[in-house]
Amino acid sequence: NAGVTQTPKFRILKIGQSMTLQCTQDMNHNYMYWYRQDPGMGLKLIYYSVGAGITDKGEVPNGYNVSRSTTEDFPLRLELAAPSQTSVYFCASSYLGQDEQYFGPGTRLTVT
Amino acid sequence: ELKVEQNPLFLSMQEGKNYTIYCNYSTTSDRLYWYRQDPGKSLESLFVLLSNGAVKQEGRLMASLDTKARLSTLHITAAVHDLSATYFCAVDGGGGADGLTFGKGTHLIIQP
Repeated sequence: NAGVTQTPKFRILKIGQSMTLQCTQDMNHNYMYWYRQDPGMGLKLIYYSVGAGITDKGEVPNGYNVSRSTTEDFPLRLELAAPSQTSVYFCASSYLGQDEQYFGPGTRLTVT
Repeated sequence: ELKVEQNPLFLSMQEGKNYTIYCNYSTTSDRLYWYRQDPGKSLESLFVLLSNGAVKQEGRLMASLDTKARLSTLHITAAVHDLSATYFCAVDGGGGADGLTFGKGTHLIIQP
């Protein structure tokens, strides 16, 4: 199993550009999550999904959108990138909500 | 709003010493997680604590949970350099589905 994979690893965006961060898991997990980690801070939940077709907002959803058309994939869309979205983005998954979450390698995004 | 506080946020210690990291949280929860993060890397699950009084040990690390005090501890015994990392505790806010709330992390440096 590859576990949780994320692409790209690094990206630089100009203000106002858009992009999609990809996340795929091959563990047949129901739950998937997007977090962002700012320097020296813990992770903050952006969006989560409890299964295909179901998504919900986390603590910091503004400026982002998600979709979950399959069990495996949970892309995160940034519209109109802003410098405040400069961060490291982690995707995670778990089989059930109370299980430990498995994290992907992260995407380091810089908006200038 | 669930708040998770770790202390200390920074800890420098010598090999061979013992120390404890504390994690306090603000609302009722029976599920607490400890993660390790190496610089520039993703998060690795260390412990999942699912009930009051839960204690888990792996090598030189031992984690415990007191849900009545809303407190978890991560105890390090006879520290070695390889344990240098940032340690996060995270709490399940409720229902399992709405993701984890993370502390800011404890940056641990173990010196020879």
